[in-house]
Amino acid sequence: GNSVTQMEGPVTLSEEAFLTINCTYTATGYPSLFWYVQYPGEGLQLLLKATKADDKGSNKGFEATYRKETTSFHLEKGSVQVSDSAVYFCALSSGNDYKLSFGAGTTVTVRA
Amino acid sequence: GAVVSQHPSWVICKSGTSVKIECRSLDFQATTMFWYRQFPKQSLMLMATSNEGSKATYEQGVEKDKFLINHASLTLSTLTVTSAHPEDSSFYICSAPRTGTGTDTQYFGPGTRLTVL
Repeated sequence: GNSVTQMEGPVTLSEEAFLTINCTYTATGYPSLFWYVQYPGEGLQLLLKATKADDKGSNKGFEATYRKETTSFHLEKGSVQVSDSAVYFCALSSGNDYKLSFGAGTTVTVRA
Repeated sequence: GAVVSQHPSWVICKSGTSVKIECRSLDFQATTMFWYRQFPKQSLMLMATSNEGSKATYEQGVEKDKFLINHASLTLSTLTVTSAHPEDSSFYICSAPRTGTGTDTQYFGPGTRLTVL
């Protein structure tokens, strides 16, 4: 079956630091990969996605590259801001049914 | 943008009672919605797929008689936790995919915190 393993948190950083959250997956076929973000008191929002190998998803300064050879989709941002404080979820979908398998989530706190 | 709402945002109930949670798509129609459950510091686990006008499909291990799902309209799905017990305490989240030309995005509700005493 499908599974997502995500770096455990919490992660605490200073503003302008570099952020990496590791994510690896196990899936049948060729899954689509996602990063969702949940800000305090809000629902999950799609941050970025990649649908095939070597695709790079990017949004709001965040990037993640679909690496089929290492079955990974690590999230990176070069310079975080306090407003990036949130919980980040890696997820995959391997069919056309929109069903998602999630990682455990990583809580990121950015200090001013 | 598209918004999915949930009501209530939190609920406390006594053991043995039933609790209904609503999930609404506010500016788009959703023939399919999903219900997830999240335990503290754990991943979201898909419970079931709610299908408008037909029966919900449940993931393995989820008791369909325990978690009743009704998708009565294109904008509303409800999850009823029947005869709730403390082990049902959790964070319940719904989502709805918005499909259409150039957009295949899934939108999530803010979640409902259920505490069963």
